[in-house]
Amino acid sequence: EVQLVESGGGLVNPGGSLRLSCAASGFTFSNAWMSWVRQAPGKGLEWVGRIKSKTDGGTTDYAAPVKGRFTISRDDSKNTLYLVVNSLKTEDTAVYYCTTSPGSSPRGFWGQGTLVTVSS
Amino acid sequence: QSVLTQPPSVSGAPGQRVTISCTGRSSNIGAGYDVHWYQQLPGTAPKLLIYGNSNRPSGVPDRFSGSKSGTSASLAISGLQAEDEADYYCQSHDSSLSGWAFGGGTKLTVL
Repeated sequence: EVQLVESGGGLVNPGGSLRLSCAASGFTFSNAWMSWVRQAPGKGLEWVGRIKSKTDGGTTDYAAPVKGRFTISRDDSKNTLYLVVNSLKTEDTAVYYCTTSPGSSPRGFWGQGTLVTVSS
Repeated sequence: QSVLTQPPSVSGAPGQRVTISCTGRSSNIGAGYDVHWYQQLPGTAPKLLIYGNSNRPSGVPDRFSGSKSGTSASLAISGLQAEDEADYYCQSHDSSLSGWAFGGGTKLTVL
C-alpha cells in the first residue's frame, strides 16, 4: 500500500525556517518524481516544486513565489522527500502536501499534509 | 489568478449529471499536456479522480469521466450522489512554469 506521511510543520515567525519531511512507503521511491503542493487556508491548490528521480537527473523546479527560498531534496536510502523553507512570509501559511506524479506509477498519491503557520 | 480556469461552483440534484470545465492555454492544455482531475472532500487531502485526460484509477466509479479538446478539458459526473459534494481541481503541466498548473477549484453542491 502506497503511503506518504508528512511531518515537520509548525508555527514559525516571519523570516524563519523549517524543514518538512515526507516519508514514503509501498513503492520504489527512488524511481518516482515527487512534488510538493500547498493549500492556504480556504484557498485552492498551488504547486510548490518538483524533484526528478536520480536516474532522470535528480533536478528540481520551483514555482516563482518560492524560488530562491525553498529547496527540495531527496534521500533515496531513507525513502524520504524534504522541503526546506527559508525566509518565510505570512503568505506561505498553508498545508503542505507531498505527492507522486499523476503521469506515472504510483499515480497521484498524496500525504495527509503538514500545516505551516507563519505568524509573529 | 489560476493558470487554469474553472467555474467557482456548480450544483445539481441527486441523480443528475453535471460538468466542470477547465480552460487553459497554449502553454499547457493546448500544448498537448495531459489533464488530471482531483476530488477534495472537506478536511482531507486531494484524491486523484481522472488521469491522462480520461482514465480512472482503480476504485473510482464510472460515474466520473473526463475529456479534453483543444485548450479545454471537462469533468462529468453522472448520477449525482450526496457523497460527491466536494471541491474539484484540474491540473496540467505548463511549459512556461516548468511545472504544474492547477485550476482554482470548483465547489460541487448536491441539492
